[in-house]
Amino acid sequence: SAVISQKPSRDICQRGTSLTIQCQVDSQVTMMFWYRQQPGQSLTLIATANQGSEATYESGFVIDKFPISRPNLTFSTLTVSNMSPEDSSIYLCSVVKGVGTEAFFGQGTRLTVV
Amino acid sequence: KQEVTQIPAALSVPEGENLVLNCSFTDSAIYNLQWFRQDPGKGLTSLLLIQSSQREQTSGRLNASLDKSSGRSTLYIAASQPGDSATYLCAGQTGTASKLTFGTGTRLQVTL
Repeated sequence: SAVISQKPSRDICQRGTSLTIQCQVDSQVTMMFWYRQQPGQSLTLIATANQGSEATYESGFVIDKFPISRPNLTFSTLTVSNMSPEDSSIYLCSVVKGVGTEAFFGQGTRLTVV
Repeated sequence: KQEVTQIPAALSVPEGENLVLNCSFTDSAIYNLQWFRQDPGKGLTSLLLIQSSQREQTSGRLNASLDKSSGRSTLYIAASQPGDSATYLCAGQTGTASKLTFGTGTRLQVTL
C-alpha cells in the first residue's frame, strides 16, 4: 500500500491568485497523477507527473494553467494558476507503484474560489 | 477511448439488505478494474482491485466480479450497514500508462 499526505486539505482563494498543492508519499512510486473532481462529478485526470521531466497533460488541460513539478519519486506539486470560480473542485493526488497495480489516493484538496 | 458508466446513480436501502452496484466499460482491453469508496468531500479509499485475468475478488462483506467479454463489473455488498453510506466509484485501467478512467459513481444510502 501507500500512504499519501496532501496539503492543504482545503482552501478558499480569491480569483486571480494561485494555489500550490503538495503531495507526499511514504515510499518511492513509479507513477503519480493529479485528478480533478468538479462538484457533483466524477474524477477527471489532469496530468501524469513525471519525475525529472515535464508532466504529461490530458486533453483540455495545459501547463500554463496547471504547472506540475515532481523533483523525486515521493513528492509532487500541482499549482492552480490565475484561479476563477470554475476552478472550484476537489484536487486529488494518486500513485501507482507499477503497471496494472492498485492505485492509491490522497485525501484531496477542496478548493473554493471566490 | 474508454468510457465507464455506473448504474444506478443513487440507491437507498434499509440496513441489512444485500445489494449490487453495476459498472460498465467500453474497452475490453482493460488491465484491471478497481472499486473505490468516497465519503462526502473526501478522497478515495480503495476497496477491491480485480486484475484482467481474474473473475472476482472478495474482502469481508464485499465481492467484486469482472466480465471482460461483456464489459461489466459488479460490486456486491452483503448485509449492508449505515456505515456503508458513501459514493462508490469504479475505475478501469487501460494501457501501460496506468491512468484510470472513472465511472459516474453510485451514491448509496443505508437507512436504519
